[in-house]
Amino acid sequence: KQEVTQIPAALSVPEGENLVLNCSFTDSAIYNLQWFRQDPGKGLTSLLLIQSSQREQTSGRLNASLDKSSGRSTLYIAASQPGDSATYLCAVRPDGGATNKLIFGTGTLLAIQP
Amino acid sequence: DAGITQSPRHKVTETGTPVTLRCHQTENHRYMYWYRQDPGHGLRLIHYSYGVKDTDKGEVSDGYSVSRSKTEDFLLTLESATSSQTSVYFCAIGSSAGANTGELFFGEGSRLTVL
Repeated sequence: KQEVTQIPAALSVPEGENLVLNCSFTDSAIYNLQWFRQDPGKGLTSLLLIQSSQREQTSGRLNASLDKSSGRSTLYIAASQPGDSATYLCAVRPDGGATNKLIFGTGTLLAIQP
Repeated sequence: DAGITQSPRHKVTETGTPVTLRCHQTENHRYMYWYRQDPGHGLRLIHYSYGVKDTDKGEVSDGYSVSRSKTEDFLLTLESATSSQTSVYFCAIGSSAGANTGELFFGEGSRLTVL
Protein backbone atom coordinates (compact mmCIF):
# COMPACT_ATOMS: atom_id res chain seq x y z
CA LYS A 1 0.00 0.00 0.00
CA GLN A 2 1.37 3.39 -1.03
CA GLU A 3 2.21 5.70 1.86
CA VAL A 4 3.33 9.31 1.60
CA THR A 5 5.34 10.98 4.35
CA GLN A 6 6.31 14.61 4.77
CA ILE A 7 9.04 15.65 7.14
CA PRO A 8 9.22 17.93 9.02
CA ALA A 9 5.60 18.41 10.09
CA ALA A 10 6.36 22.07 10.83
CA LEU A 11 9.12 24.46 9.86
CA SER A 12 9.85 28.07 10.81
CA VAL A 13 12.50 30.12 9.00
CA PRO A 14 13.42 33.81 8.71
CA GLU A 15 12.34 35.74 5.66
CA GLY A 16 14.73 35.61 2.74
CA GLU A 17 16.08 32.12 3.37
CA ASN A 18 16.00 29.36 0.80
CA LEU A 19 14.33 26.21 2.07
CA VAL A 20 13.54 22.63 1.12
CA LEU A 21 10.44 20.62 1.95
CA ASN A 22 10.63 16.85 1.72
CA CYS A 23 8.17 14.22 0.54
CA SER A 24 8.80 10.48 0.45
CA PHE A 25 6.67 7.65 -0.87
CA THR A 26 6.95 3.91 -0.37
CA ASP A 27 6.07 2.59 -3.84
CA SER A 28 8.05 3.94 -6.79
CA ALA A 29 5.32 2.94 -9.27
CA ILE A 30 3.75 6.35 -9.58
CA TYR A 31 2.12 8.15 -12.51
CA ASN A 32 2.81 11.64 -11.20
CA LEU A 33 3.41 13.72 -8.08
CA GLN A 34 1.74 16.99 -7.25
CA TRP A 35 2.61 19.70 -4.73
CA PHE A 36 -0.15 21.81 -3.21
CA ARG A 37 -0.39 24.81 -0.95
CA GLN A 38 -3.19 25.19 1.59
CA ASP A 39 -3.91 28.39 3.49
CA PRO A 40 -5.88 28.18 6.77
CA GLY A 41 -9.56 27.52 6.14
CA LYS A 42 -9.04 27.36 2.40
CA GLY A 43 -8.87 24.77 -0.32
CA LEU A 44 -5.77 23.36 -1.96
CA THR A 45 -3.94 25.30 -4.64
CA SER A 46 -1.92 23.28 -7.13
CA LEU A 47 1.69 24.47 -7.26
CA LEU A 48 3.56 21.99 -9.42
CA LEU A 49 2.83 18.72 -11.18
CA ILE A 50 5.68 16.34 -12.06
CA GLN A 51 4.97 13.47 -14.41
CA SER A 52 6.82 10.21 -13.71
CA SER A 53 9.08 10.74 -16.73
CA GLN A 54 10.22 14.15 -15.49
CA ARG A 55 12.94 15.00 -12.98
CA GLU A 56 11.85 18.51 -12.03
CA GLN A 57 9.42 21.34 -12.59
CA THR A 58 9.83 25.04 -11.92
CA SER A 59 7.39 27.86 -11.35
CA GLY A 60 8.77 31.21 -10.29
CA ARG A 61 10.60 30.79 -6.97
CA LEU A 62 9.45 27.18 -6.66
CA ASN A 63 11.30 24.13 -7.93
CA ALA A 64 10.13 20.59 -7.39
CA SER A 65 12.28 17.55 -8.06
CA LEU A 66 11.37 13.90 -8.36
CA ASP A 67 13.52 10.82 -7.82
CA LYS A 68 11.22 7.88 -8.42
CA SER A 69 13.75 5.18 -7.74
CA SER A 70 14.45 6.47 -4.25
CA GLY A 71 10.84 7.45 -3.58
CA ARG A 72 11.56 11.10 -2.91
CA SER A 73 10.49 14.55 -3.99
CA THR A 74 11.62 17.93 -2.75
CA LEU A 75 10.04 21.36 -3.03
CA TYR A 76 12.62 24.13 -3.06
CA ILE A 77 11.45 27.64 -2.22
CA ALA A 78 13.90 30.42 -3.01
CA ALA A 79 14.08 33.74 -1.15
CA SER A 80 11.17 32.92 1.16
CA GLN A 81 8.57 35.61 1.95
CA PRO A 82 5.97 35.90 4.73
CA GLY A 83 3.30 35.26 2.10
CA ASP A 84 4.75 31.79 1.60
CA SER A 85 3.48 30.81 5.06
CA ALA A 86 1.01 27.96 4.55
CA THR A 87 0.73 24.20 4.72
CA TYR A 88 2.41 22.40 1.83
CA LEU A 89 1.09 19.02 0.77
CA CYS A 90 2.46 16.49 -1.64
CA ALA A 91 0.39 13.78 -3.27
CA VAL A 92 1.19 10.88 -5.56
CA ARG A 93 -0.96 9.22 -8.16
CA PRO A 94 -0.20 5.50 -8.22
CA ASP A 95 0.63 4.02 -11.58
CA GLY A 96 -1.68 1.57 -13.30
CA GLY A 97 -4.93 3.26 -12.38
CA ALA A 98 -7.33 4.76 -14.89
CA THR A 99 -8.29 7.66 -12.71
CA ASN A 100 -6.53 10.48 -10.88
CA LYS A 101 -6.78 9.06 -7.38
CA LEU A 102 -4.20 10.82 -5.25
CA ILE A 103 -2.60 9.67 -2.02
CA PHE A 104 -1.65 12.58 0.21
CA GLY A 105 0.97 13.22 2.82
CA THR A 106 -0.09 15.02 5.99
CA GLY A 107 1.74 18.19 5.05
CA THR A 108 4.43 20.55 6.29
CA LEU A 109 3.26 23.69 8.07
CA LEU A 110 5.61 26.47 7.00
CA ALA A 111 5.97 29.76 8.85
CA ILE A 112 8.16 32.53 7.43
CA GLN A 113 9.20 35.03 10.07
CA PRO A 114 9.30 38.67 8.88
CA ASP B 1 -8.61 29.40 -10.77
CA ALA B 2 -10.47 26.26 -11.70
CA GLY B 3 -14.22 26.83 -11.72
CA ILE B 4 -15.29 24.70 -8.77
CA THR B 5 -18.05 25.69 -6.37
CA GLN B 6 -18.97 23.76 -3.26
CA SER B 7 -22.18 24.25 -1.33
CA PRO B 8 -22.93 24.67 1.45
CA ARG B 9 -19.60 25.98 2.71
CA HIS B 10 -20.60 25.45 6.34
CA LYS B 11 -23.23 23.22 7.86
CA VAL B 12 -24.14 22.11 11.35
CA THR B 13 -26.50 19.19 11.67
CA GLU B 14 -27.61 16.60 14.17
CA THR B 15 -26.76 12.92 14.34
CA GLY B 16 -29.09 10.82 12.21
CA THR B 17 -30.09 13.51 9.74
CA PRO B 18 -29.36 13.27 6.00
CA VAL B 19 -26.90 15.72 4.48
CA THR B 20 -26.07 16.44 0.85
CA LEU B 21 -23.03 18.39 -0.28
CA ARG B 22 -22.86 19.70 -3.83
CA CYS B 23 -19.90 20.23 -6.10
CA HIS B 24 -20.37 22.20 -9.29
CA GLN B 25 -17.71 22.65 -11.97
CA THR B 26 -17.57 24.82 -15.07
CA GLU B 27 -14.46 23.18 -16.57
CA ASN B 28 -16.14 20.20 -18.24
CA HIS B 29 -13.64 17.82 -16.62
CA ARG B 30 -14.47 14.16 -16.76
CA TYR B 31 -13.16 13.23 -13.32
CA MET B 32 -14.57 14.48 -10.03
CA TYR B 33 -13.64 13.48 -6.50
CA TRP B 34 -14.77 13.88 -2.92
CA TYR B 35 -12.12 13.95 -0.20
CA ARG B 36 -12.35 14.52 3.52
CA GLN B 37 -9.61 16.19 5.54
CA ASP B 38 -9.07 15.40 9.19
CA PRO B 39 -6.21 16.29 11.57
CA GLY B 40 -3.58 13.56 11.59
CA HIS B 41 -5.07 11.78 8.56
CA GLY B 42 -4.51 14.21 5.76
CA LEU B 43 -6.88 14.02 2.81
CA ARG B 44 -8.62 10.72 2.14
CA LEU B 45 -10.66 9.80 -0.90
CA ILE B 46 -14.34 9.04 -0.27
CA HIS B 47 -15.77 8.51 -3.75
CA TYR B 48 -14.93 9.54 -7.26
CA SER B 49 -16.61 9.76 -10.65
CA TYR B 50 -15.18 9.11 -14.10
CA GLY B 51 -18.24 10.22 -16.04
CA VAL B 52 -21.98 10.80 -15.86
CA LYS B 53 -23.52 8.01 -13.79
CA ASP B 54 -20.06 6.39 -13.41
CA THR B 55 -18.82 6.38 -9.83
CA ASP B 56 -16.63 4.24 -7.61
CA LYS B 57 -15.56 3.97 -4.00
CA GLY B 58 -12.46 5.42 -2.42
CA GLU B 59 -10.71 4.35 0.77
CA VAL B 60 -13.26 5.75 3.26
CA SER B 61 -16.59 5.28 1.49
CA ASP B 62 -18.64 3.68 4.30
CA GLY B 63 -21.61 5.87 5.24
CA TYR B 64 -21.43 7.94 2.06
CA SER B 65 -23.08 7.76 -1.33
CA VAL B 66 -22.61 9.86 -4.45
CA SER B 67 -24.44 10.70 -7.64
CA ARG B 68 -23.51 12.35 -10.87
CA SER B 69 -26.42 13.01 -13.22
CA LYS B 70 -24.69 15.80 -15.13
CA THR B 71 -21.07 16.42 -16.06
CA GLU B 72 -20.95 19.57 -13.97
CA ASP B 73 -22.46 18.30 -10.71
CA PHE B 74 -21.23 15.71 -8.22
CA LEU B 75 -23.27 15.18 -5.06
CA LEU B 76 -22.08 13.62 -1.81
CA THR B 77 -24.78 12.31 0.52
CA LEU B 78 -24.56 11.23 4.12
CA GLU B 79 -27.73 9.17 4.55
CA SER B 80 -27.62 9.35 8.35
CA ALA B 81 -24.90 11.63 9.65
CA THR B 82 -22.71 10.53 12.55
CA SER B 83 -20.28 12.51 14.70
CA SER B 84 -17.37 10.68 13.04
CA GLN B 85 -18.34 12.39 9.80
CA THR B 86 -17.56 15.81 11.22
CA SER B 87 -14.86 16.96 8.84
CA VAL B 88 -13.94 19.31 6.05
CA TYR B 89 -15.01 17.94 2.68
CA PHE B 90 -13.24 18.88 -0.51
CA CYS B 91 -14.34 18.38 -4.05
CA ALA B 92 -11.70 18.06 -6.76
CA ILE B 93 -11.73 17.85 -10.53
CA GLY B 94 -9.10 16.30 -12.74
CA SER B 95 -7.74 17.05 -16.15
CA SER B 96 -7.40 14.16 -18.53
CA ALA B 97 -5.55 15.52 -21.52
CA GLY B 98 -2.36 17.28 -22.50
CA ALA B 99 0.76 17.97 -20.49
CA ASN B 100 -1.22 18.44 -17.31
CA THR B 101 -2.91 15.08 -17.40
CA GLY B 102 -3.61 13.97 -13.88
CA GLU B 103 -3.49 17.40 -12.29
CA LEU B 104 -6.19 17.93 -9.67
CA PHE B 105 -7.90 21.19 -8.77
CA PHE B 106 -9.74 21.64 -5.50
CA GLY B 107 -12.74 23.56 -4.30
CA GLU B 108 -12.77 25.74 -1.18
CA GLY B 109 -14.18 23.01 1.05
CA SER B 110 -17.38 22.38 3.00
CA ARG B 111 -17.07 22.30 6.78
CA LEU B 112 -19.57 19.87 8.28
CA THR B 113 -20.23 19.56 12.00
CA VAL B 114 -22.43 16.71 13.24
CA LEU B 115 -23.65 17.22 16.80
